Amino acid sequence: AQKVTQAQTEISVVEKEDVTLDCVYETRDTTYYLFWYKQPPSGELVFLIRRNSFDEQNEISGRYSWNFQKSTSSFNFTITASQVVDSAVYFCALHGGATNKLIFGTGTLLAVQP
Amino acid sequence: KAGVTQTPRYLIKTRGQQVTLSCSPISGHRSVSWYQQTPGQGLQFLFEYFSETQRNKGNFPGRFSGRQFSNSRSEMNVSTLELGDSALYLCASSPQAGGFREQYFGPGTRLTVT
Repeated sequence: AQKVTQAQTEISVVEKEDVTLDCVYETRDTTYYLFWYKQPPSGELVFLIRRNSFDEQNEISGRYSWNFQKSTSSFNFTITASQVVDSAVYFCALHGGATNKLIFGTGTLLAVQP
Repeated sequence: KAGVTQTPRYLIKTRGQQVTLSCSPISGHRSVSWYQQTPGQGLQFLFEYFSETQRNKGNFPGRFSGRQFSNSRSEMNVSTLELGDSALYLCASSPQAGGFREQYFGPGTRLTVT
């Protein structure tokens, strides 16, 4: 079975703090993809990153960074120096070749206070 | 390029009625996927259409159906509406079939069933 767990339901930080959003996944596929999406109050899902199972290199994009560790089945997302505009629900998702479906976690609501 | 558009953005229906939602993908994209987002069940995959054919389907009852036209626009239909069908329905387009690796989401249609 495939599953994505985002244990943090809500996180509240003050602007300029660093924050890490956790994502743990389960899959039996050897080839799979992991994603992070941002959903602002407008509702539209915004793609942030895609990582395939063979690429464990960490990635940094501006204030965003991702840590993929197959040994712990985790794909965590860190926002450095958070800003109010980062306030949104963040979803981690998994796509495995066997099921060919995109499985989402339950999301983490991030509130960045000014 | 224009993004994914969904109409209507908001809809209120009564239990037992049926509803049709529309999605226009990004120009040139031939794959359209539909998702349901509810507070209780989160984001769940409904189905995917590519070249007017349903390629993949999630675990939803037969009341949920869809179709895709030759211009890649897609419609989703829900018959005999139930209160539990109240949700945000998101559409995503992709250039290729099974294109979960590269999906662009629309703003969604918020359906309220009373």
